Amino acid sequence: QQQVKQSPQSLIVQKGGISIINCAYENTAFDYFPWYQQFPGKGPALLIAIRPDVSEKKEGRFTISFNKSAKQFSLHIMDSQPGDSATYFCAAYTGGGNKLTFGTGTQLKVEL
Amino acid sequence: NAGVMQNPRHLVRRRGQEARLRCSPMKGHSHVYWYRQLPEEGLKFMVYLQKENIIDESGMPKERFSAEFPKEGPSILRIQQVVRGDSAAYFCASSPGQGGWAEAFFGQGTRLTVV
Repeated sequence: QQQVKQSPQSLIVQKGGISIINCAYENTAFDYFPWYQQFPGKGPALLIAIRPDVSEKKEGRFTISFNKSAKQFSLHIMDSQPGDSATYFCAAYTGGGNKLTFGTGTQLKVEL
Repeated sequence: NAGVMQNPRHLVRRRGQEARLRCSPMKGHSHVYWYRQLPEEGLKFMVYLQKENIIDESGMPKERFSAEFPKEGPSILRIQQVVRGDSAAYFCASSPGQGGWAEAFFGQGTRLTVV
């Protein structure tokens, strides 16, 4: 019940295209859903996050779409750039708990 | 994030040796979380500590692993008698309060290689 399933494992997108990464969860107690970006040799960095009381959140080229009934959320990267090439992790957290539960990650490569 | 300092960045140990990983939280943060990342996998929670207290160690292996966060100094993750399966990247994160993940930052990690 604590799992967060993420897909795809890897993704190649052309420059200027849209990158879409999907996550699904089971635990309905999760109430905070962040996305992290990780470059090689670096730690994860918070990119954008959403709470289940909204269906969408946009920050620049990054948008989270949230479907509470389906228990799914996704990250959309518009106008993808080579500098976006990184590993992206979705995660989920329960307000009454301590730990952040991560998905398995998506390696994004944006080609010229 | 540069604010959470982990050292060493890379650590090589022979099987059976001890590994000590250090994490200095961001200024003003008193909560520390340790995560382990195996190749091609996500981050797995290990332990959550506040100053001088272990709050949640549900992700920590029962043997050989221990963690502390003393009143003074960094948090330490200690792995005794390392085995090849311990090779991984170990990340710590710090936050200003319990569950403060919106204000939490990760360090750059310690990459442990057991030979």
